[in-house]
Order: sequence, then structure tokens, then C-alpha cells
Amino acid sequence: GAVVSQHPSWVICKSGTSVKIECRSLDFQATTMFWYRQFPKQSLMLMATSNEGSKATYEQGVEKDKFLINHASLTLSTLTVTSAHPEDSSFYICSAPDTYDEQFFGPGTRLTVL
Amino acid sequence: AQTVTQSQPEMSVQEAETVTLSCTYDTSESNYYLFWYKQPPSRQMILVIRQEAYKQQNATENRFSVNFQKAAKSFSLKISDSQLGDTAMYFCAFTAWGYIFGTGTRLKVLA
Repeated sequence: GAVVSQHPSWVICKSGTSVKIECRSLDFQATTMFWYRQFPKQSLMLMATSNEGSKATYEQGVEKDKFLINHASLTLSTLTVTSAHPEDSSFYICSAPDTYDEQFFGPGTRLTVL
Repeated sequence: AQTVTQSQPEMSVQEAETVTLSCTYDTSESNYYLFWYKQPPSRQMILVIRQEAYKQQNATENRFSVNFQKAAKSFSLKISDSQLGDTAMYFCAFTAWGYIFGTGTRLKVLA
């Protein structure tokens, strides 16, 4: 099946700094990618839909200026957590649908903000 | 609003036995997809099974099968011949556009 990668898999940063997370579709093109957030022992919450060549669509309650999404190419979407604070600590997962609309998930990125 | 509900936060089953995980959803959409995903301790989301709403026939993938009741908006997952490797969180998911996940069921397979 198709493969989606995320980088980094784990990042620790100081409060107030910005962190960029990359999501890549390795063997297929994705005009759309999705970003999720997962707190410990909880479900995945859709944060935003990343669209290649256009602005991302954010879910209600997600701060656009806090979570910047850039879909630079058909294989790369980035999520930047700006001015990170401890409450932003979470597990972030991306996914991308292939031609047949099956979603493939990245392995996730664990963000810890000190 | 679209919602997905999993009413069983935790379940356990003996190895080789059968277990059924429940999922109900609510939507006004007529065309949509339903999924069951498995999330093992590695946290990698793995697709278990997929059901298109327009198909009446229940999907089956080896030991995994679903009971899809469209009118009742129910989508349960049956795992037959449970194996230790089936121990994981299981999420029911709905999509018409973007994904909505249920709260998950933690399944433990006992030796």
C-alpha cells in the first residue's frame, strides 16, 4: 500500500519556539492531506485539511495563526506550531488519501513543549 | 452534525475467541464510507476494514468482518479467532469529507 512519512517522529522544544512537522506521501501524489491531534488515551481530532496550492481549511476551534499549514507540493504538507506552549504538547498525525480515497496515515509526531 | 460513537471503552477476549466491537454514527449524508482502524502501541494507524455506504454487502477481510446496518446507522466489527497481536485501540471512523473518529475501544486479547 501507499506510504506516508512524518518528520520528525519526536521533538522537544522550549516554550515560545516554533516547530515544523513534515508530512510526505512517498509513492503517490496527494492534493489533499489531513492533520490530526491525539491526546493520550484519546481519539484523533481532525485539525485541518491541507490543500495543495490553496489555503488550508481549519476545523472549528483550531487557531489558524497557531497552527500554520503549507501544502507546498503534491507530496509534502507541513504543520508549523508557532509560539508553542506546554498545552500544545500532543501527538500529531497526518494522513493522505490515494486515488481510491483510501486514507494512509503517517506514523505520527510526538511534540513535547517544555 | 456528524458523530461517531463507540460505547465500549475497553473490552477483553480470550485468544481464539470471537469479539464484537460496536459503533454507531449519525449523518445526513447519503454517500459516505465507514472504517475500522487499529492503533497498536506503536501508534501507527492501520486500516482494518472499509465499508462503502452504498454497498449492502458486509465487508470482510480474513478474520475481520462488519455488520453494517445503514438504517440503524450501526457499524460493528467482529474479530474471529482473536490473536494476541489484535491487542490495540480500535477506532471506528466515518468520512463523507474529512474523517471523524469515534472515541475508541481498547481491546485486550488474553492468552
